Amino acid sequence: EPEVTQTPSHQVTQMGQEVILRCVPISNHLYFYWYRQILGQKVEFLVSFYNNEISEKSEIFDDQFSVERPDGSNFTLKIRSTKLEDSAMYFCASSEGTARRSYQETQYFGPGTRLLVL
Amino acid sequence: SQKIEQNSEALNIQEGKTATLTCNYTNYSPAYLQWYRQDPGRGPVFLLLIRENEKEKRKERLKVTFDTTLKQSLFHITASQPADSATYLCALGYSSASKIIFGSGTRLSIRP
Repeated sequence: EPEVTQTPSHQVTQMGQEVILRCVPISNHLYFYWYRQILGQKVEFLVSFYNNEISEKSEIFDDQFSVERPDGSNFTLKIRSTKLEDSAMYFCASSEGTARRSYQETQYFGPGTRLLVL
Repeated sequence: SQKIEQNSEALNIQEGKTATLTCNYTNYSPAYLQWYRQDPGRGPVFLLLIRENEKEKRKERLKVTFDTTLKQSLFHITASQPADSATYLCALGYSSASKIIFGSGTRLSIRP
């Protein structure tokens, strides 16, 4: 069964460093997302991406964050200058898109990247 | 802003019984509502989706109901098994937005 994959599974970085989290969405999906979950808290939406541009973003997704689809299979989240409060589990998700409805509701999540900022 | 409440942080039941989890929301009714399962340190796994014009959905031992008058969804696991122990997340979606909004989850424990 197709699934979303993410690398690395764990990342430790120093405050102020740049990190890039990578995702391979399900191959025929057209909508891509990033969510994060701080330890013990809710899963929070960061950004959605469709047709090579951001379609929606949350207040968390400030200028320190960016997303990119550098090729036909990868989807990345970059944090330019990490802060201690960026420590969290980051989940990539994808969903189908159709001509009739620009996105399909069901989002399939990857296993996550645990980011620790020291 | 939308507020989502899931009945209790933790629910403990005996194997073989039916587990019932509650998701309540305030303000705007969602176009659809989803239930996910999350194991510790893992990503959410999709279980069921129910739309605003649907009352009930079933999949094997799982059943979801959606009452837009009460602003509530119930999630049932019948003939529960210890392997069903996990955190269950309710998530709301709106036709005007691509994101889904998660509740804080209910941690379900099934004891043998």
